[in-house]
Amino acid sequence: GQQVMQIPQYQHVQEGEDFTTYCNSSTTLSNIQWYKQRPGGHPVFLIQLVKSGEVKKQKRLTFQFGEAKKNSSLHITATQTTDVGTYFCAGHAFNDYKLSFGAGTTVTVRA
Amino acid sequence: GAVVSQHPSWVICKSGTSVKIECRSLDFQATTMFWYRQFPKQSLMLMATSNEGSKATYEQGVEKDKFLINHASLTLSTLTVTSAHPEDSSFYICSASKTGFGLAGEETQYFGPGTRLLVL
Repeated sequence: GQQVMQIPQYQHVQEGEDFTTYCNSSTTLSNIQWYKQRPGGHPVFLIQLVKSGEVKKQKRLTFQFGEAKKNSSLHITATQTTDVGTYFCAGHAFNDYKLSFGAGTTVTVRA
Repeated sequence: GAVVSQHPSWVICKSGTSVKIECRSLDFQATTMFWYRQFPKQSLMLMATSNEGSKATYEQGVEKDKFLINHASLTLSTLTVTSAHPEDSSFYICSASKTGFGLAGEETQYFGPGTRLLVL
C-alpha cells in the first residue's frame, strides 16, 4: 500500500532560523496536504497542493510539490515560537479517497 | 465554513464500559466521514471510513465489532468503543469531507477537535 514518509521526526530550531521538513511518497500522489497540530490540539489544515511543481506561500511558510508528484516540502523562514507544533503531510493517491499521513515533524523553538 | 465538532472532548471510563463519540459537521453536509486514532507522539492512523447510509469500511487490523460506526445522516457520525480496555486509551479524531468517492484530487478533510479517551 501507499506509504508516506516524513523527515526529520524532530526539529529543534533557534528562533529566527529557517528549517525545512520533507515528505516522500512511495507512489504518485494526486494531491498533498499539510497540517499543523499544536501540542494538545488537533490537526489544522494548512494547504493543499495539486499541480506538479506547484509552490505556494503562506507568509513565512513555503510549500512545494515535486515535479513527479511524489515528494513535497515545507520551508519555514525566521522561525517564531508560534511555529511550535507537529507538521504532518498527507497525500491522496490517484483514485484513492483515503489520506495517508506522514509520521510528522515535531518542531521546538529555542528562544 | 467547514466546521466539525466532536463530543465529548474528554472521557474517562472504567474498563468494560462502552463509550460513544459524536462527530458533527456544523455548516456543511458531509458525504464521507473518517475516524482516526492517534497515540502519543505518533501520527494519525485511519480506523474507518463511513458514508451516510451505508456500512463503514474498516482498515486492516481494526475490529469492526469493537469500534461501531454509524453514519445516520449527512451531518452526524458516531463511533462507539465497546467494552473499552486501557489499551483503547487514545486520541480519537474524526474528519469530514464534502465530496464523496472518486474526487480525491479535490478533497479536503476538515478535522474535528478530537476526543481523548482514558480507560481505567
